[in-house]
Amino acid sequence: GQQVMQIPQYQHVQEGEDFTTYCNSSTTLSNIQWYKQRPGGHPVFLIQLVKSGEVKKQKRLTFQFGEAKKNSSLHITATQTTDVGTYFCAGPAGTASKLTFGTGTRLQVTL
Amino acid sequence: GAGVSQSPSNKVTEKGKDVELRCDPISGHTALYWYRQSLGQGLEFLIYFQGNSAPDKSGLPSDRFSAERTGGSVSTLTIQRTQQEDSAVYLCASSLVAGADTQYFGPGTRLTVL
Repeated sequence: GQQVMQIPQYQHVQEGEDFTTYCNSSTTLSNIQWYKQRPGGHPVFLIQLVKSGEVKKQKRLTFQFGEAKKNSSLHITATQTTDVGTYFCAGPAGTASKLTFGTGTRLQVTL
Repeated sequence: GAGVSQSPSNKVTEKGKDVELRCDPISGHTALYWYRQSLGQGLEFLIYFQGNSAPDKSGLPSDRFSAERTGGSVSTLTIQRTQQEDSAVYLCASSLVAGADTQYFGPGTRLTVL
């Protein structure tokens, strides 16, 4: 079945440093979605990318969808303590397929 | 509009008892998912309902787990003869149409089996 892996599993940064998480799927995805889960909370949708090579930005967050539509990345510039949480990517193999979530990357930011 | 709601928010039960967890999806959403999340871990897919199609039960860990969705809306996840390893947060999510659509999660039910 479809597998979606993320690296790293965990990263601890100092506030102000940059952070990147990578998402790799075993199958081609029709779209890639990113979610953020704050400690004690539930996953919340951040963004969706659909096109090969697509790049989208949300303030300090930059999302990229790979050319082959099998990988994606999330880059945070100048992290803040509000960025703490676990970031999940998720993608369906097809529009009629269920979403498969990645393994997640937990980000810890300290002052 | 209301989001996805789940009840109860917390459930403490004794080993061997049965429990029922409820999920009310966003009105009009045809796809509904159940996930399990152990402390500090990722999202473990359990079951997926899409409209009137047969549910995808491929993630249910054992035959002690079952789920139903009545009238295409409310869903109930039942765990029979609970075990301590069932302790986790159970999350429900719904999406508008297709399984590939954006998912909206409920706050979860924290299950503790003593």
